[in-house]
Amino acid sequence: DVKVTQSSRYLVKRTGEKVFLECVQDMDHENMFWYRQDPGLGLRLIYFSYDVKMKEKGDIPEGYSVSREKKERFSLILESASTNQTSMYLCASSRDRATTGQYFGPGTRLTVT
Amino acid sequence: DQQVKQNSPSLSVQEGRISILNCDYTNSMFDYFLWYKKYPAEGPTFLISISSIKDKNEDGRFTVFLNKSAKHLSLHIVPSQPGDSAVYFCAASAWTGTASKLTFGTGTRLQVTL
Repeated sequence: DVKVTQSSRYLVKRTGEKVFLECVQDMDHENMFWYRQDPGLGLRLIYFSYDVKMKEKGDIPEGYSVSREKKERFSLILESASTNQTSMYLCASSRDRATTGQYFGPGTRLTVT
Repeated sequence: DQQVKQNSPSLSVQEGRISILNCDYTNSMFDYFLWYKKYPAEGPTFLISISSIKDKNEDGRFTVFLNKSAKHLSLHIVPSQPGDSAVYFCAASAWTGTASKLTFGTGTRLQVTL
């Protein structure tokens, strides 16, 4: 069974902290994605990676960075957390040109105080 | 600039009736369209997709219709069941040269009542 796991379901951090969100997939997918979901805004793409060590900016990359050292693992880094980064963060993975789209993890609800 | 729009934030339908969820898009470069379903505290799950060269795709109770000239797609659920109550996201796929990137709508919350 296809699986995408995220390191935490809930996280509370202070403003200015460096935050790491981890995502692991067991499907040998080439592509991995990070989104944030906010009420009334849907899912917005932060960054994606199409191969190990390769990454591209999504629609809202400001304030975030990513790391993909191994094929199965994709990390999202908030360099200096701010309150406007309080959100639900969703990781996803897919094969190239997948017509069934992307497989999502359960999400991490991050609160920055 | 919202390239994929779901103009109805919510929809309530009686069990057994048809649910119709709508989605509009602006970018002609989208080559695939997908619908995802999301329950609270879970990630979205893929429901059904349609290629831009088709106008209909059916899978059990779910049918997606695509009208390219109107840049409009819709998801029909017949018959609706209480377990269908969830948030439905429309998404459109475009090849970036390195990966297929999805652009999501803002979602429609479907409530199926008894």
